[in-house]
Amino acid sequence: DAGVTQSPTHLIKTRGQQVTLRCSPISGHKSVSWYQQVLGQGPQFIFQYYEKEERGRGNFPDRFSARQFPNYSSELNVNALLLGDSALYLCASSPTGEGQPQHFGDGTRLSIL
Amino acid sequence: QQQVKQSPQSLIVQKGGISIINCAYENTAFDYFPWYQQFPGKGPALLIAIRPDVSEKKEGRFTISFNKSAKQFSLHIMDSQPGDSATYFCAASRDQTGANNLFFGTGTRLTVIP
Repeated sequence: DAGVTQSPTHLIKTRGQQVTLRCSPISGHKSVSWYQQVLGQGPQFIFQYYEKEERGRGNFPDRFSARQFPNYSSELNVNALLLGDSALYLCASSPTGEGQPQHFGDGTRLSIL
Repeated sequence: QQQVKQSPQSLIVQKGGISIINCAYENTAFDYFPWYQQFPGKGPALLIAIRPDVSEKKEGRFTISFNKSAKQFSLHIMDSQPGDSATYFCAASRDQTGANNLFFGTGTRLTVIP
């Protein structure tokens, strides 16, 4: 069975630009969460979506937004990119909005120049 | 504010030895404690997890020890192998709140020397 898939794998942007990252959860999983992992740190929670509704939001500015589609895939959007947004963006899926476990994709490496 | 504190930052162990990584938390509402393994260029992969109703869980060479009163938990890797060389993260979540977001530690880079 396919795991969590994310695209693109790598992305280079400049300051001020906008970016969209995509995630397909494991088949049958209805919840998707997004995390930001800065080099040398643990992942930090950004958003959780379940059945197309936002379930949770971490301590990130309004430049970050997300949505979930009827097929449970998800997009993370970041506007007005800053140098500090350079990180590995991870998507995780779980069967329901509550409970565990969460399974992670390999992420999108975003570099801001 | 770091909700989960992890130590050591790095660890070097001889092949066949025992690797021990420790984590501590403050929020008593946490009710799920997983450990993730991450290789360079890959996402975190779930290794083993525990809930507060048990004090120990073992899966193969990996064991979680959990001390609810001390608010600490640890990962033990028995018979460590070079293939275990990776970064390990502890985490915690509060599933009963209706959301399942994980709070991660800062990671431990494990190197197993042949």
